[in-house]
Amino acid sequence: GAVVSQHPSRVICKSGTSVKIECRSLDFQATTMFWYRQFPKQSLMLMATSNEGSKATYEQGVEKDKFLINHASLTLSTLTVTSAHPEDSSFYICSATITGIYGYTFGSGTRLTVV
Amino acid sequence: AQSVSQHNHHVILSEAASLELGCNYSYGGTVNLFWYVQYPGQHLQLLLKYFSGDPLVKGIKGFEAEFIKSKFSFNLRKPSVQWSDTAEYFCAVIEGSNTGKLIFGQGTTLQVKP
Repeated sequence: GAVVSQHPSRVICKSGTSVKIECRSLDFQATTMFWYRQFPKQSLMLMATSNEGSKATYEQGVEKDKFLINHASLTLSTLTVTSAHPEDSSFYICSATITGIYGYTFGSGTRLTVV
Repeated sequence: AQSVSQHNHHVILSEAASLELGCNYSYGGTVNLFWYVQYPGQHLQLLLKYFSGDPLVKGIKGFEAEFIKSKFSFNLRKPSVQWSDTAEYFCAVIEGSNTGKLIFGQGTTLQVKP
């Protein structure tokens, strides 16, 4: 079945540094990828939608300059948390799909801790 | 915008008990509905989905859900839970426009006692 690989699974970084999270679709070409953020004991909040070759669409309240999303190919999307602060500590999850086919495959998530 | 509401935040059951988790959505048009499960330390997995047709949907691991349009509901059920069903359960709906965006409910933590 469809597999999405997300790396790293855990990362600890110092405040002020940037962190890049990768999301790869391993056996299918994902025309659309979604990035979610999950706080402890809470639901997944959609951050942005990225389509291959175009700029990401961010949800209201999400800072696009802080959370840089690149979807350069049909199998890779990256989320870069720039100038990270402790309040950015969270669980980030990507999801990949093929536009028009509502089957979503989720990555295993990345636990980001900013110290 | 669409919203999804899960009424039960934390459910504790004994093994063999029956389960019903509530899910209501806000959109009045055509909806596509999902239930996902997240086992401890694992990623989200699809339990079942409804796009059209029979409103009673069978999923994996003995789960089923019933789409009741008049009640804007898509409740998840299982006749007899097992300890291994302990997990976080999320109801989700695709936004009404053709964006493909999944909007999740708040999640329900299910704890099954052996």
